Amino acid sequence: GAGVSQTPSNKVTEKGKYVELRCDPISGHTALYWYRQSLGQGPEFLIYFQGTGAADDSGLPNDRFFAVRPEGSVSTLKIQRTERGDSAVYLCASSLRSDQPLHFGNGTRLTVT
Amino acid sequence: SQKIEQNSEALNIQEGKTATLTCNYTNYSPAYLQWYRQDPGRGPVFLLLIRENEKEKRKERLKVTFDTTLKQSLFHITASQPADSATYLCALGKQAGTALIFGKGTTLSVSS
Repeated sequence: GAGVSQTPSNKVTEKGKYVELRCDPISGHTALYWYRQSLGQGPEFLIYFQGTGAADDSGLPNDRFFAVRPEGSVSTLKIQRTERGDSAVYLCASSLRSDQPLHFGNGTRLTVT
Repeated sequence: SQKIEQNSEALNIQEGKTATLTCNYTNYSPAYLQWYRQDPGRGPVFLLLIRENEKEKRKERLKVTFDTTLKQSLFHITASQPADSATYLCALGKQAGTALIFGKGTTLSVSS
């Protein structure tokens, strides 16, 4: 595709439920990132993939958060036992290499009620 | 802990003036710095990248400077237009293999 695609664009879930957020990066981009952005804040780093492996997952807030990229392209961010504090916009970005500019999707707005 | 500060949350200027946004950082030694533009409801869009051995970069009406001694970057938009109104984010990066760290952003409003 022409850009990074994230689905769904909006997700409303109840506290305690499990959610999956999907990211389709730009074809050929080996680096993929997940960030979380709350209102009035900058993007907060969660996890970075280089190919299929997680090169840095130091930003994941706790063990309820997990992400995979099994074939080195599409990635899924998984959140278990969602909490109201997880409500935010989850942004995905990809780049040719990790020191190159990031191409962001428009995010998934997650609302936990 | 490492910290990135962008000069103010909001900046209001008149059309035609130069907007100057500031990004300061502490407890960090970036190899490069990037500036992004973010419109409401959209993901950030890359504008400029400047490396630690570069003092200044320009692109059309945009100019960015990088002073590793002062630990500061300045981002200028000359001849500003209402269409430049957006939130501007600075982001720091180390060598390849690490992720960008973003500031909170500065919201620029250009009035006609």
